[in-house]
Amino acid sequence: EPEVTQTPSHQVTQMGQEVILRCVPISNHLYFYWYRQILGQKVEFLVSFYNNEISEKSEIFDDQFSVERPDGSNFTLKIRSTKLEDSAMYFCASSDYGTYNEQFFGPGTRLTVL
Amino acid sequence: AQSVSQHNHHVILSEAASLELGCNYSYGGTVNLFWYVQYPGQHLQLLLKYFSGDPLVKGIKGFEAEFIKSKFSFNLRKPSVQWSDTAEYFCAVTMNRDDKIIFGKGTRLHILP
Repeated sequence: EPEVTQTPSHQVTQMGQEVILRCVPISNHLYFYWYRQILGQKVEFLVSFYNNEISEKSEIFDDQFSVERPDGSNFTLKIRSTKLEDSAMYFCASSDYGTYNEQFFGPGTRLTVL
Repeated sequence: AQSVSQHNHHVILSEAASLELGCNYSYGGTVNLFWYVQYPGQHLQLLLKYFSGDPLVKGIKGFEAEFIKSKFSFNLRKPSVQWSDTAEYFCAVTMNRDDKIIFGKGTRLHILP
């Protein structure tokens, strides 16, 4: 069964460093998403991406964040200068028809900022 | 702001007990409703969803949920739980034609064998 994959599973970084979280969505999907979950809190929407551009982003998704689909298979989330409060589990998701279809989630990347 | 509330943060039941997990949302417009489950060490996966039609929806593994529009609720039920149902359960909504999912905080369910 096709699934969304994410790498790495755990990333540790120093405050101020750049990190890139990688996701491989399901191959025929066209809509891509990033969510995050700070420990003990809700899963929160960060950004949605379709047709090589951001469709929607949350207040959390400030100028320190960017997303890219550098080739036909990967979907990346970059944090330019990490802060302590960026420590969270980051989930990638993809779907094939956007609003009315199921989003399939990856296993997540746990980001720890020291 | 739109939100999703899950009433129970941690539920402990014995096998064969009946389960009901509460979920309420705050939004007056059209909603699509979901329950996701995350088994230990695994991905978030969809348990069931409601878009329109019959407000009683059936999902995988014997779960069902009922959408009660007047109560802004979408409670999850299972008549007889199993040890393998131990997991974290997330209620979630999308609003109108928006595709971003708004999640509740989750309910951690622990089934005693």
